[in-house]
Amino acid sequence: AQSVTQLGSHVSVSEGALVLLRCNYSSSVPPYLFWYVQYPNQGLQLLLKYTSAATLVKGINGFEAEFKKSETSFHLTKPSAHMSDAAEYFCAVIYGGSQGNLIFGKGTKLSVKP
Amino acid sequence: ETGVTQSPTHLIKTRGQQVTLRCSSQSGHNTVSWYQQALGQGPQFIFQYYREEENGRGNFPPRFSGLQFPNYSSELNVNALELDDSALYLCASRGGQGSYNEQFFGPGTRLTVL
Repeated sequence: AQSVTQLGSHVSVSEGALVLLRCNYSSSVPPYLFWYVQYPNQGLQLLLKYTSAATLVKGINGFEAEFKKSETSFHLTKPSAHMSDAAEYFCAVIYGGSQGNLIFGKGTKLSVKP
Repeated sequence: ETGVTQSPTHLIKTRGQQVTLRCSSQSGHNTVSWYQQALGQGPQFIFQYYREEENGRGNFPPRFSGLQFPNYSSELNVNALELDDSALYLCASRGGQGSYNEQFFGPGTRLTVL
């Protein structure tokens, strides 16, 4: 079954440290890839998306992600964490042949320590 | 431009009852998708409507049904509620079925089934 895996349900970093959230997809055909952020009691906000253009994708709030076909990965990074980055992050994919529905990972909760 | 809105924000029902959740899509968006997000999990695709017709469905039983109206707003109906139906229900709209079209999410309706 097509799926997306996020390694680490909880990641904790210090303010100013590098943020790395991992995401792997399961398909030999590169899908469309997305990262969403969810703040407590809110809906999902799109951070960035990969749609087969540049492999390094820049998003909002200083986040970026790199598509690596050989590793079937789409990890999210931010050079310097800010307290306001504390939230839950979801990697999602749309596989070819679908009706465009998103398949989400289980999420990674990011905590930022002062 | 008004974003995606959902009503109600919270709802408490008892097992066996029926519930209707509502979603107003963003202006100009003709495609609406519904997702169920159980506590601690990523959202799961329920179904999608395009121009008033269901054109995609996830692994949910028939007691989950929906409608889309001519103004592209949508309803999610759940019959014979079960305890496991307790979740955050998210609605997302986009302007067309294309997989690359960004889905804009509403804040969700939190359903509690007792």
